[in-house]
Amino acid sequence: EIVLTQSPGTLSLSPGERATLSCRASQSVSSSYLAWYQQKPGQAPRLLISGASSRATGIPDRFSGSGSGTDFTLTISRLEPEDFAVYYCQQYGSSPKYTFGQGTKLQIK
Amino acid sequence: QVQLQQWGAGLLKPSETLSLTCAVYGGSFSGYYWSWIRQPPGKGLECIGDINHSGSTNYNPSLKSRVTISVDTSKNQFSLKLSSVTAADTAVYYCARGVTLDYYYMDVWGKGTTVTVSS
Repeated sequence: EIVLTQSPGTLSLSPGERATLSCRASQSVSSSYLAWYQQKPGQAPRLLISGASSRATGIPDRFSGSGSGTDFTLTISRLEPEDFAVYYCQQYGSSPKYTFGQGTKLQIK
Repeated sequence: QVQLQQWGAGLLKPSETLSLTCAVYGGSFSGYYWSWIRQPPGKGLECIGDINHSGSTNYNPSLKSRVTISVDTSKNQFSLKLSSVTAADTAVYYCARGVTLDYYYMDVWGKGTTVTVSS
């Protein structure tokens, strides 16, 4: 089973700042299999990025994904108030079929 | 626009069977994998398993002995049963649509059902 480790656990930033979230896999992951989600309190996760770098429909271009192999990054270029949430990376594997990282909480400083 | 509507019992006693159903509206049922994911209070996301329109399933090994996911293509619905529940199964349960084309991801989610296991 591939384990995804996200860092930092909590990130405190101010609106307008740049956020960099990391997702590290215990084994190499195909970029096609790496996705990022945003979750706000009381809501279901929302797809942000698929294929490591492809923004989902309707996602603002301040969100970008990059990386390959075992190291992937979600970057939010200029934080808006609505961006403060928990972010999860996810990979598609064999068994279990999907695994998630433990999440990074992005909070207002 | 595809929407997932889910329902099921929210309060169970230990040893009972959890039963949830998710209906798919506004889109094709075939060509996707239909997933169940859960999230214990204050914790992260765990994939329980999924099924395609043909009934082919994939379960998380940690839950496999207690999980059954089934599909009713005539109603565009899929269901989750989790037997012998304990307090550790208390969580918000989500259904989601899994895409496995060029990229692999879950693009449409239900709103979630809170399931509490308590005596």
